[in-house]
Amino acid sequence: EAGVTQFPSHSVIEKGQTVTLRCDPISGHDNLYWYRRVMGKEIKFLLHFVKESKQDESGMPNNRFLAERTGGTYSTLKVQPAELEDSGVYFCASRPQGYDGYTFGSGTRLTVV
Amino acid sequence: LAKTTQPISMDSYEGQEVNITCSHNNIATNDYITWYQQFPSQGPRFIIQGYKTKVTNEVASLFIPADRKSSTLSLPRVSLSDTAVYYCLVTRNQGGKLIFGQGTELSVKP
Repeated sequence: EAGVTQFPSHSVIEKGQTVTLRCDPISGHDNLYWYRRVMGKEIKFLLHFVKESKQDESGMPNNRFLAERTGGTYSTLKVQPAELEDSGVYFCASRPQGYDGYTFGSGTRLTVV
Repeated sequence: LAKTTQPISMDSYEGQEVNITCSHNNIATNDYITWYQQFPSQGPRFIIQGYKTKVTNEVASLFIPADRKSSTLSLPRVSLSDTAVYYCLVTRNQGGKLIFGQGTELSVKP
């Protein structure tokens, strides 16, 4: 069984540019989550999809961040325009309904310069 | 969800048993205790989950006293490959987001 896959693994962009991160969850997992760790801080929740619907987006830092989940399959997280403080590692996780174990991807390391 | 407190770092040697204790004084009746492991350049990986008493799997054991205000993750006979950050989380069954603390950075030396 393939795990949670994230693209790209690393991204370096200039302040003001746009970046789109992608997450492919495990097939059949209805629940998809985005988390991020900024330098020196703890891993923080961003948002939660159930299929294509946003269940909880309370962790999204501001309106420069836009998350979508097309047809309840893969998800994208767009940052537009990127700021220096957006640098960090963005993790995606998925979970099937009725099960409490989350599977995380390896993350995308975003560096804004 | 209750916040957790655990040591920032621990050192051990290969072959030793390692016990990492976590406190969660405000844990609620519906909450579980869940531990994750994270290697560098990887996402957190689920290790074990428990509600009370003792849970054991092929990776670790989890001890939870009757008052559930703390828990101990036990790793038997650690190896160098167990060097990682270990997170203790309080989770609500089939519930949404995970609340991560700083974790315990375990360093296993030869």
